[in-house]
Amino acid sequence: GAVVSQHPSRVICKSGTSVKIECRSLDFQATTMFWYRQFPKQSLMLMATSNEGSKATYEQGVEKDKFLINHASLTLSTLTVTSAHPEDSSFYICSAREGPHRTAFFGQGTRLTVV
Amino acid sequence: KQEVTQIPAALSVPEGENLVLNCSFTDSAIYNLQWFRQDPGKGLTSLLLIQSSQREQTSGRLNASLDKSSGRSTLYIAASQPGDSATYLCAVRPDSGGSNYKLTFGKGTLLTVNP
Repeated sequence: GAVVSQHPSRVICKSGTSVKIECRSLDFQATTMFWYRQFPKQSLMLMATSNEGSKATYEQGVEKDKFLINHASLTLSTLTVTSAHPEDSSFYICSAREGPHRTAFFGQGTRLTVV
Repeated sequence: KQEVTQIPAALSVPEGENLVLNCSFTDSAIYNLQWFRQDPGKGLTSLLLIQSSQREQTSGRLNASLDKSSGRSTLYIAASQPGDSATYLCAVRPDSGGSNYKLTFGKGTLLTVNP
C-alpha cells in the first residue's frame, strides 16, 4: 500500500511554545489530507480536512487559530500547535489520499506531550 | 449523525482461539466500511475494506462481513496468535459528502492474545 510518513513520532515541548508536525505522502500525490486527534481509549476525532492549495476545513469545536494547517504541496501537510498547553497533549494522526474516491492511508502518529 | 460502536471494548483470549469482533453503525447509508489495526503508540494499518455492495472480504486469517441494512460488521480472526494483539478499529465512510467524505471511527477493541 501507499506510504504516509509522519514526523516526529514523539515530541515534548514546554507550555506556551509551538510545535510543528509534518505529514508526507511518499509515493503518491495527496490531494486531500486529514488530521485526527486521539485520546487514550477513544476513537479518532477528525480535526480538519485540507485540500492542496486551499484553506483547511475545520471540524466544529476545533480552534483554527490554535491548530494551523498548511497543505502547500501535493506531498506535504503540516499541523502547527500554537501556544501549546498541557491539555493539547494527545496523539495526532494524519491521513492522505490521492483522489476523492481513493482510500486514505495513515501516518504513524505523533505523541505530543506538553509540560 | 453517524455513530460507530465496537463491542467488546477489550478481549483477552488464549493463543489459537478463533474470535469475532463486532462493529455497529447507526446510519446504513454508507459507501464502505474499513477495519484497521493499531499497535500501541502507532498509526493505523488497513486490514480489510468492504464496499457497501459486498457481503464480506477475506485476507489470510481475517474475514470481515458486512450487513449494511442492519448496520453491522464483524471481523473474524482465525487461529489467533500473540502477534495479533493490538487495537482493532472499524470506520465507515458515508454515502454522501462527495470528495470531502469523512470517516467515522469506533473506539476500537483492544485484543490481547496470550501465549
